[in-house]
Amino acid sequence: DIVMTQSPDSLAVSLGERATINCKSSRSVLYSSNNKNYLAWYQHKPGQPPKLLIYWASTRESGVPDRFSGSGSGTDFTLTISSLQAEDVAVYYCQQYYTDSWAFGQGTKVEIK
Amino acid sequence: QLQLQESGPGLVKPSETLSLTCTVSGGSISSSDYFWGWIRQPPGKGLEWIANIEYRGYTYRNPSLESRVTTSVDTSKNHFSLNLSSVTAADTAVYYCARHKRLAERPATFDFWGQGTLVTVSS
Repeated sequence: DIVMTQSPDSLAVSLGERATINCKSSRSVLYSSNNKNYLAWYQHKPGQPPKLLIYWASTRESGVPDRFSGSGSGTDFTLTISSLQAEDVAVYYCQQYYTDSWAFGQGTKVEIK
Repeated sequence: QLQLQESGPGLVKPSETLSLTCTVSGGSISSSDYFWGWIRQPPGKGLEWIANIEYRGYTYRNPSLESRVTTSVDTSKNHFSLNLSSVTAADTAVYYCARHKRLAERPATFDFWGQGTLVTVSS
């Protein structure tokens, strides 16, 4: 099974500043036949279900603000919030869909400094 | 708009079976474009995928839970179900159902979620 590890576990960022979350997979999630990374990001706010933000490592889901961006390839990925807003306070998870055992990272809590 | 709603007991006794149903509205469960999944979140912990099922009954299960998990789908009622047997306190969690969208021909991302239901395992 692929293990997803996120860092840091939590971070505090000032409003309007950049937040960066890292995700590392225990083996590559890049599928060579289509050159796509099988990696998604979710936002989870208290009392709400998780929300899909990004898939294929860098493609934003419809309706997701463009301050959210994903990057990386192979085993190392990053979610960036370019200018943190108050409504972005949440826990963020990465998830691989390369194998038939869909694993999430442990989550990164983003707070306002 | 697609909606998913979990239903089932909020309290289950240890060693018994946890049973949940997810009713889908605003769309058909009978589409080859999607699987339908279960994910849980224990208190203070992260998300754990449990299982998913397609409308024809094809299913995947988390290897760590496989021996205790059964899933089913009822296309006439547009719902799918989860049974988790021999539960312990470690199975206490918020249980979510979600639509599991196919990308590049395989189940990939969870793009619509139910609100979740807390299931507590306690005597």
